[in-house]
Amino acid sequence: QVTLRESGPALVKPTQTLTLTCTFSGFSLRRSGMCVSWIRQPPGKALEWLALVDWDDDKYYNTSLKTRLTISRDTSKKQVVLTMTNMDPVDTATYYCARGSGASCYVFDDWGQGTLVTVSS
Amino acid sequence: DIVLTQSPGTLSLSPGERATLSCRASQSVSNSYLAWYQQKPGQAPRLLIYGASSRATGIPDRFSGSGSGTDFTLTISRLEPEDFAVYYCQQYAGSPRTFGQGTKLEIK
Repeated sequence: QVTLRESGPALVKPTQTLTLTCTFSGFSLRRSGMCVSWIRQPPGKALEWLALVDWDDDKYYNTSLKTRLTISRDTSKKQVVLTMTNMDPVDTATYYCARGSGASCYVFDDWGQGTLVTVSS
Repeated sequence: DIVLTQSPGTLSLSPGERATLSCRASQSVSNSYLAWYQQKPGQAPRLLIYGASSRATGIPDRFSGSGSGTDFTLTISRLEPEDFAVYYCQQYAGSPRTFGQGTKLEIK
């Protein structure tokens, strides 16, 4: 059974750096074709894909946020970490990690429950 | 970026009725790399359809997807009470991968 769980601070101040951790089980990120993404959703708004790391440790970013994002993985701990610098109130959102499906790394068939991050002073 | 526009914004129907949700892309989505997700309040999205028309594992056959190019449709043949939710389309052909703004399917 595949599970993913996000963890990190619920509240960050403007200009701070956010660090989120996705801890997963039920699959190996070393296996060919496996990928994990971060996706966010501001309250009441649509989803936005942020970043992806794959089985080969290749990393891909949403170009609009690329300068602020870093994604990394620790396969031994079964974790994927996302850092986002220079946080702003508009970054307030629920942040999800999700596993790519067999159809494509960018088709998300397993999701964590999400973690709400509020940016406020 | 490929912009996905979903219509209608809200759809009010009764259980047992047929629902038709639209997703229009600002440019052609190659290989029909279009997915649909269902999201209920307080929950993560759930994959329904990928490749425009392939149902994900465990998805009932009352859900079907169709379309190509710039116009895609999600159809729910006979609405069950648990189908009332928000539905998002997503393209994974172009970079960055993008989602539509969602269609809320509500009970009439």
